[in-house]
Amino acid sequence: DSGVTQTPKHLITATGQRVTLRCSPRSGDLSVYWYQQSLDQGLQFLIQYYNGEERAKGNILERFSAQQFPDLHSELNLSSLELGDSALYFCASSPAGTGLTGELFFGEGSRLTVL
Amino acid sequence: DAKTTQPPSMDCAEGRAANLPCNHSTISGNEYVYWYRQIHSQGPQYIIHGLKNNETNEMASLIITEDRKSSTLILPHATLRDTAVYYCIVRDYGSSNTGKLIFGQGTTLQVKP
Repeated sequence: DSGVTQTPKHLITATGQRVTLRCSPRSGDLSVYWYQQSLDQGLQFLIQYYNGEERAKGNILERFSAQQFPDLHSELNLSSLELGDSALYFCASSPAGTGLTGELFFGEGSRLTVL
Repeated sequence: DAKTTQPPSMDCAEGRAANLPCNHSTISGNEYVYWYRQIHSQGPQYIIHGLKNNETNEMASLIITEDRKSSTLILPHATLRDTAVYYCIVRDYGSSNTGKLIFGQGTTLQVKP
């Protein structure tokens, strides 16, 4: 158990819909990272938040957005869903936001299926 | 961050040492080498990291060449539960690094009975 909690574990929805994935980081960790893993793309970094502010952005689509709340949990919002958005979405956390931040602790992921 | 090159797949007999190579010929002086693994769609798991000295922990050993252009992750006694995708990642430890990890394709290690 990494200490990172993601909900829901599985989600099935239809094209055009909107979903929200939730992540609770390890106690005390200030950074939250979101990754997408689809069959043909591997693990893709989407976005990072540190203590409520966006710290780094990767290959995140404009239809996707994220935020980190004062209690440090984070949500990834996916809208206007397409078939290609079907993937595993991982959240990770770490104590810091710059420099040698040590290891990232990953949750078990949320599996999104878009039909 | 420097790019890494890993073989796409490897086999290893159960109980034998698994040696996973990684090439990072463009690594710079302030970049660490990290290894993570992902077991069958679970969240990636940290294994070990190092700068220039060899490192060992309860999971594995990391051997980094003197010129730091390549490294080898060693699982001393591989078990079936070590079957996974292993990722070698190079990460800058300077202030410009936000902490994110950029994953490549990794090496799929199959441990066979």
